[in-house]
Amino acid sequence: EVQLVESGGGLVQPGGSLKLSCAASGFTFSGSAMHWVRQASGKGLEWVGRIRDKANSYATGYAASVKGRFTISRDDSESTAYLQMNSLKTEDTAMYYCARRQCSGGSCHFDYWGQGTLVTVS
Amino acid sequence: QSVLTQPPSASGTPGQRVTISCSGSSSNLGSNTVSWYQQLPGTAPKLLIYSNNQRPSGVPDRFSGSKSGTSASLAISGLQSEDEADYYCAAWDDSLDGVVFGGGTKLTVL
Repeated sequence: EVQLVESGGGLVQPGGSLKLSCAASGFTFSGSAMHWVRQASGKGLEWVGRIRDKANSYATGYAASVKGRFTISRDDSESTAYLQMNSLKTEDTAMYYCARRQCSGGSCHFDYWGQGTLVTVS
Repeated sequence: QSVLTQPPSASGTPGQRVTISCSGSSSNLGSNTVSWYQQLPGTAPKLLIYSNNQRPSGVPDRFSGSKSGTSASLAISGLQSEDEADYYCAAWDDSLDGVVFGGGTKLTVL
């Protein structure tokens, strides 16, 4: 059974830092691109960023709203992805989801999602 | 303001067919495939449609997707009360070099 389990959320003051984890199981984590998506309360989904696999040089990419403040990393030996969040702002308050992005034949989509971890900046 | 445009709400009665539209541009829907996600209240999003019109195993064939040019749509036939949820379209955007989502459509089953 595929599982993505996020952890590390909590309450942090503006300007502070927090590191989220996403523990994966049930699929080949090392060959998967992992993404983070967030959702403020009552709002829509917002893409945060991604990290590709070793074959793609662990390339990262970020939304403009978090670039320079957030860093995504991974530990394939632990099947875990991370989201390091620095210089947090009140507008970063949201539920944070990790998701696996599956690509085939030039088409990509998020096939697995975690249950989310709540980050409150206040 | 979301890059992909969806109507904020849609509704229908049980058994009806409803469609939800998703409008984009040449850098996203015009050059990449669309996927759709269903989010039931208090839960994580779930993949509903991928590669414009493909259903993952376990998704009822009442759900179907299509795309033409820079627009896409999700159709739900034989509407059921359990379909009441938020629906999001998504695609890769070549200009932004990231994934873009629609603002979401809240579907109400009357």
